[in-house]
Amino acid sequence: DIQMTQSPSSLSASVGDRVTITCRASQGISNYVAWYQQKPGKVPKFLIYDASTLQSGVPSRFSGSGSGTDFTLTISSLQPEDVATYYCQKYNSAPFTFGPGTTVDFK
Amino acid sequence: EVQLVESGGGLVKPGGSLRLSCAVSAFTFSTYSMNWVRQAPGKGLEWVSSIGSISTYTYYADSVKGRFTISRDNAKNSLYLQMNSLRAEDTAVYYCARGRFGGIFYFDYWGQGILVSVSS
Repeated sequence: DIQMTQSPSSLSASVGDRVTITCRASQGISNYVAWYQQKPGKVPKFLIYDASTLQSGVPSRFSGSGSGTDFTLTISSLQPEDVATYYCQKYNSAPFTFGPGTTVDFK
Repeated sequence: EVQLVESGGGLVKPGGSLRLSCAVSAFTFSTYSMNWVRQAPGKGLEWVSSIGSISTYTYYADSVKGRFTISRDNAKNSLYLQMNSLRAEDTAVYYCARGRFGGIFYFDYWGQGILVSVSS
């Protein structure tokens, strides 16, 4: 099975910082990657699909890129409400594995 | 507004069974794939199982294969997860999540989740 890894596992940043989270697949998966945001105690929220397409209603400061094995989620200017854990997920074929998550908080 | 509401969780002894249900509204249920995702306490998201729009195909994580069965009733707008031979490591919040049509398995809407606790 294809494994999904994320780095870093956690990061601390300041309001306004540019934040980049990396997701790596152990084999090529084209652009079949989605990203989710989960705030503490809340239900996961769908952010991005097809590696780079923003779900309707998601703020434009979020963006995704990548193809093959390497993918990134970028928050261009971190806002207080962005404190959360972010997960990537592959969906090219089963199993539809999630990455282990990256927790973003404030310095 | 799209809604997914899970029910059927609770406390069960190891080796026991539970059946989770997910009632949906405000979308054409029969045209979407559906999924279960779980999250153990303090842990990350784990995909559990998926089913196609007309039950043509089902998929399971290795951790639940042979013990869990996913099903759906398109006439009742409902998704189910029959969980047998439950283990302590199955303790988690279980989320029902909508996939996409055409067999695309990312999850755009999620239920609030239901807690399943497996303990003696």
